[in-house]
Amino acid sequence: NAGVTQTPKFQVLKTGQSMTLQCAQDMNHNSMYWYRQDPGMGLRLIYYSASEGTTDKGEVPNGYNVSRLNKREFSLRLESAAPSQTSVYFCASTRQGAYEQYFGPGTRLTVT
Amino acid sequence: AQSVTQLGSHVSVSEGALVLLRCNYSSSVPPYLFWYVQYPNQGLQLLLKYTTGATLVKGINGFEAEFKKSETSFHLTKPSAHMSDAAEYFCAVISDSNYQLIWGAGTKLIIKP
Repeated sequence: NAGVTQTPKFQVLKTGQSMTLQCAQDMNHNSMYWYRQDPGMGLRLIYYSASEGTTDKGEVPNGYNVSRLNKREFSLRLESAAPSQTSVYFCASTRQGAYEQYFGPGTRLTVT
Repeated sequence: AQSVTQLGSHVSVSEGALVLLRCNYSSSVPPYLFWYVQYPNQGLQLLLKYTTGATLVKGINGFEAEFKKSETSFHLTKPSAHMSDAAEYFCAVISDSNYQLIWGAGTKLIIKP
């Protein structure tokens, strides 16, 4: 039982490049989330998916897209990376009827 | 707008001393409240949560928190700090409107030997 897994762990991009961050959970959770974490700002919600087939914008969605591929997987895409997207990205999931979230280990992204 | 305020971006205590991390929240409905811990270069892990019932909530690693409605607070405590408690701690409340978590900015706990 791996919980929430994220790939890659680290990534360096040049401005304008694109990439997809992958997230998968094996806990049969319904809801999944993407956050970014920046020093002194806590966690900010980028997008979330309340259930398979649905996605919604969070607090900071600009510059990102998401895909809920199936119940297990939720990917985050940066179409044209910018230095302001340098951050640590966390994926999380929640089972139906609960609010506590379970987090992956994070992806540290640097955009130069 | 709803918010969570954690007083002190850094808190330093000596090993064996009391740990007190402060969290105040705003909510127009009875809140669901959470504390998470983040060890260096790791994801966040749930420490404890308050939903309903007993206002003193016990969590993992000897931590506990007390929900005080009149003070809109949910402070985290541990009687005796250990070096392994050095981490960043986040308080969160469920949003009244969309039921997502609203996060505090975090408090980094430093343990002095």
